[in-house]
Amino acid sequence: AQSVAQPEDQVNVAEGNPLTVKCTYSVSGNPYLFWYVQYPNRGLQFLLKYITGDNLVKGSYGFEAEFNKSQTSFHLKKPSALVSDSALYFCAVRDNTNAGKSTFGDGTTLTVKP
Amino acid sequence: GAGVSQTPSNKVTEKGKYVELRCDPISGHTALYWYRQSLGQGPEFLIYFQGTGAADDSGLPNDRFFAVRPEGSVSTLKIQRTERGDSAVYLCASSPGAGANVLTFGAGSRLTVL
Repeated sequence: AQSVAQPEDQVNVAEGNPLTVKCTYSVSGNPYLFWYVQYPNRGLQFLLKYITGDNLVKGSYGFEAEFNKSQTSFHLKKPSALVSDSALYFCAVRDNTNAGKSTFGDGTTLTVKP
Repeated sequence: GAGVSQTPSNKVTEKGKYVELRCDPISGHTALYWYRQSLGQGPEFLIYFQGTGAADDSGLPNDRFFAVRPEGSVSTLKIQRTERGDSAVYLCASSPGAGANVLTFGAGSRLTVL
């Protein structure tokens, strides 16, 4: 079975400060890892993914995430937060041996204050 | 089309009624997915199609739920004898194939069962 945990329901940061949204996962095989963002009244949008290779992946809007195999984590980061980054963020995992099914975390609401 | 289209965007029905939700994926995407998202939770996997066949239907909660994709493009999620607990946003996504491909989501169909 595969699972994802996002331990924080809410993350609050000040504009210009770095942000981190945490994600840990569990899969039987090797993981494919994804971050998606959901803005109010809009569908889920892809941010970035880790498949293989460099543990640090860069994505849209200046976001990046670091794959840590020993800690089974894939935390989302951004060096300098913007108010417009405020949204609901979902981490998702797919097992490379069952590549059709993605399991999502319950989401973390990021609020960036001016 | 340019994106994943879902209809209706909103559906209100009475307990015990039959409901159909439609998904029109991105042209050429062979993989199609249905997810269900309840308030405060992440998307929950229901079923995944590769072409016309259901490759993984392990997320369908019971036999009241059924999905088809007869021509390998449009898909319909069918819910019989709806219950209040079926109320949720039903999300459809598509991708060029399975594996490491990114899912492109539609805006969802909000189902309310009274």
